[in-house]
Amino acid sequence: AQSVAQPEDQVNVAEGNPLTVKCTYSVSGNPYLFWYVQYPNRGLQFLLKYITGDNLVKGSYGFEAEFNKSQTSFHLKKPSALVSDSALYFCAVTHASNTGKLIFGQGTTLQVKP
Amino acid sequence: NAGVTQTPKFHILKIGQSMTLQCTQDMNHNYMYWYRQDPGMGLKLIYYSVGAGITDKGEVPNGYNVSRSTTEDFPLRLELAAPSQTSVYFCASSRQGADQNSPLHFGNGTRLTVT
Repeated sequence: AQSVAQPEDQVNVAEGNPLTVKCTYSVSGNPYLFWYVQYPNRGLQFLLKYITGDNLVKGSYGFEAEFNKSQTSFHLKKPSALVSDSALYFCAVTHASNTGKLIFGQGTTLQVKP
Repeated sequence: NAGVTQTPKFHILKIGQSMTLQCTQDMNHNYMYWYRQDPGMGLKLIYYSVGAGITDKGEVPNGYNVSRSTTEDFPLRLELAAPSQTSVYFCASSRQGADQNSPLHFGNGTRLTVT
């Protein structure tokens, strides 16, 4: 069975500081990993993905994520946080031959304070 | 393009009643999904479809039914509603499966309360 965990319910950072939102996963075979963001009263929006290749992937709005196979992690990062980055962030995982069954973590609320 | 459209946005249902949540997409996507979102629980997959006429169960299918008669539409049916089905429901679509490097496009959700 595949699963994904986001160990922090909330992350607080000051504007301009770097941010990290953590994600660990469990899946048989090679993982396909995703980050999505949700703003209030809206659906989720795709941020970035790791399928194969370079362990550091870059996505929308200046976000990036680092795939670490030995630690089974896929942490979301941004060098300099903005107040407008405040939202709910979801990590998700699937694997080859899983026909689109994307499994989501429980979500992490990011709060960026001015 | 409207993307993924869900109706209604809000609904209050009495215990034991039935209703259908509507979802339509105009991107000609093959794959469609229904998720429910509960506080602190993330999103749970209810049902999904890989094309017209084909549906399959996700993680939490009990109490729900779906149909996919066209590429565009993927309605979710709640029969004999229970308080445990109080949730926010999201419909999503993708051109191919997530394992095919195809991001999901989400609707804005339906907030359902069963009392």
